[in-house]
Amino acid sequence: KNQVEQSPQSLIILEGKNCTLQCNYTVSPFSNLRWYKQDTGRGPVSLTIMTFSENTKSNGRYTATLDADTKQSSLHITASQLSDSASYICVVSEGGYNFNKFYFGSGTKLNVKP
Amino acid sequence: NAGVTQTPKFRVLKTGQSMTLLCAQDMNHEYMYWYRQDPGMGLRLIHYSVGEGTTAKGEVPDGYNVSRLKKQNFLLGLESAAPSQTSVYFCASRPFDRVGAKNIQYFGAGTRLSVL
Repeated sequence: KNQVEQSPQSLIILEGKNCTLQCNYTVSPFSNLRWYKQDTGRGPVSLTIMTFSENTKSNGRYTATLDADTKQSSLHITASQLSDSASYICVVSEGGYNFNKFYFGSGTKLNVKP
Repeated sequence: NAGVTQTPKFRVLKTGQSMTLLCAQDMNHEYMYWYRQDPGMGLRLIHYSVGEGTTAKGEVPDGYNVSRLKKQNFLLGLESAAPSQTSVYFCASRPFDRVGAKNIQYFGAGTRLSVL
């Protein structure tokens, strides 16, 4: 069964600290993996997208990694800011004929405290 | 360039009432989607459309209908609302791209629906 699991469910860190969010998936065939940021009361916004051949991609203080062999991805946030408080969602796209199928994780809720 | 706009933002219905949620995008995207988001769960696909005049069922289509008469609009209808349909509904769109870098969905701000 194609699934996307994220950990931890929630995380509290102090402003300025780093953190890493995890995403494990079983989706096959694999097309690409995206990380979204969802602020409270808003829709998700794309942070990064990685295809099979990419194993790291950065967007400012956000760095995503992908290990397609172990089917794991991580999102590392450096020098966290209060504005990083949000839910982070991992989304995996199925390849092949089902290119329009997306599998969403349930998200990690990050709370950055001053 | 507004992106993806959803109306209304909030709505309270009584069981059995009907309503239509409107999604409009100004990015000329081919694909449009309706999701629902419930606490502790990932977004679940209700219906989607790969082009004007075409729709398809997603993961949880029961109790919902959709129409895409114009490329820029995707409507989600609830014919007889039930308390189980209390949720936050998100519309998304994306351009046509079978693989790779353009496979990014753009989401609206959501509609919070309560069915009493």
